[in-house]
Amino acid sequence: NAGVMQNPRHLVRRRGQEARLRCSPMKGHSHVYWYRQLPEEGLKFMVYLQKENIIDESGMPKERFSAEFPKEGPSILRIQQVVRGDSAAYFCASSQRQGQTNEKLFFGSGTQLSVL
Amino acid sequence: AQKITQTQPGMFVQEKEAVTLDCTYDTSDQSYGLFWYKQPSSGEMIFLIYQGSYDEQNATEGRYSLNFQKARKSANLVISASQLGDSAMYFCAMREGLGANNLFFGTGTRLTVIP
Repeated sequence: NAGVMQNPRHLVRRRGQEARLRCSPMKGHSHVYWYRQLPEEGLKFMVYLQKENIIDESGMPKERFSAEFPKEGPSILRIQQVVRGDSAAYFCASSQRQGQTNEKLFFGSGTQLSVL
Repeated sequence: AQKITQTQPGMFVQEKEAVTLDCTYDTSDQSYGLFWYKQPSSGEMIFLIYQGSYDEQNATEGRYSLNFQKARKSANLVISASQLGDSAMYFCAMREGLGANNLFFGTGTRLTVIP
């Protein structure tokens, strides 16, 4: 499967634990985006990364959330000390190019995070 | 102001009929792109169709077409000959300007196809 791969599909954490969400972009794509979707809402942009660089993190909460896209391996969205309000579906998307208006994003199947 | 507005939380359509899902957008950029994505119950986001602000013709992709009315800032999705498998959430999204990284999404419309 050459699509965007996210794991795990479902993640359950207790309040105060850490959540690590992984995303492998499509083959040949070097641009990764993370979105969050609350129930019955649209996707909200969190962060945009290229290899080893955070390009735009304007949608990331200032505390507890971080993202990386290392030279080797998947992109990681990390949420420290999770709270119940972090419960949501987290989607990763990738694209081949940046800056083109018509560049479509290819999405993974998402990770459903549930905080108990 | 919302960048993307989808005013229909839910829509029903009879199988084999056509249905229009509404989307209006708000931008002051001259160059922008409009997208529609489908999200079935399994959760993944599937790209359906794209319309560029400078495209003179409405985009079409199989049974999907985009009714683009620039002056009204609307980009409605038309699904012809609805099938049961079309039942899903549908999201309209926009990318503003050149060099923009972000897609702004609407709140979605849940379409149910009735046999």
